[in-house]
Amino acid sequence: SAVISQKPSRDICQRGTSLTIQCQVDSQVTMMFWYRQQPGQSLTLIATANQGSEATYESGFVIDKFPISRPNLTFSTLTVSNMSPEDSSIYLCSVEAQGYEQYFGPGTRLTVT
Amino acid sequence: AQSVTQLDSHVSVSEGTPVLLRCNYSSSYSPSLFWYVQHPNKGLQLLLKYTSAATLVKGINGFEAEFKKSETSFHLTKPSAHMSDAAEYFCAINDMRFGAGTRLTVKP
Repeated sequence: SAVISQKPSRDICQRGTSLTIQCQVDSQVTMMFWYRQQPGQSLTLIATANQGSEATYESGFVIDKFPISRPNLTFSTLTVSNMSPEDSSIYLCSVEAQGYEQYFGPGTRLTVT
Repeated sequence: AQSVTQLDSHVSVSEGTPVLLRCNYSSSYSPSLFWYVQHPNKGLQLLLKYTSAATLVKGINGFEAEFKKSETSFHLTKPSAHMSDAAEYFCAINDMRFGAGTRLTVKP
């Protein structure tokens, strides 16, 4: 298993600003994933982050809006840029284990006013 | 592309009665399938997984699921519901896609 922490746990931000979310894993992993979970909804994959290469974004998500860094095998950041109220959501990072299951961080609850 | 469909957005049961949460999948090859649980204001936790070994998979907290290729299903069951089972349940497939979720309510 893997233990994942995220910072911040929650934040309230003004529209037009940016927030960077940090994700730390207690072991080295190849791939990390970023999801968005809007209130009462399921998880939507934003992007996959491999160490040493650019993140791969899902349809509907672009690097300018959600830049991702992956400087090493235990850490990643997701930035939500030029925020609007529609970006209010829970943002989750996860890692994939050898059996293909995922371990999730506790999430970052973002409110944009 | 692979996908999963959860057939019920909300299931309500009485404590002590069986639980059935339904999930169908679509895949051009034999997939890995997962059930996760999310309690209110908590992170997601893996309940169980199927990875082409035994078709009946046992998970934590008394849950189990059966992979049925002929029906393209992976339904989650539990013989007797507890109040603590009230949560949101997500079915997922091995390319990181999640179903829409099923909210389980347990009545006393």
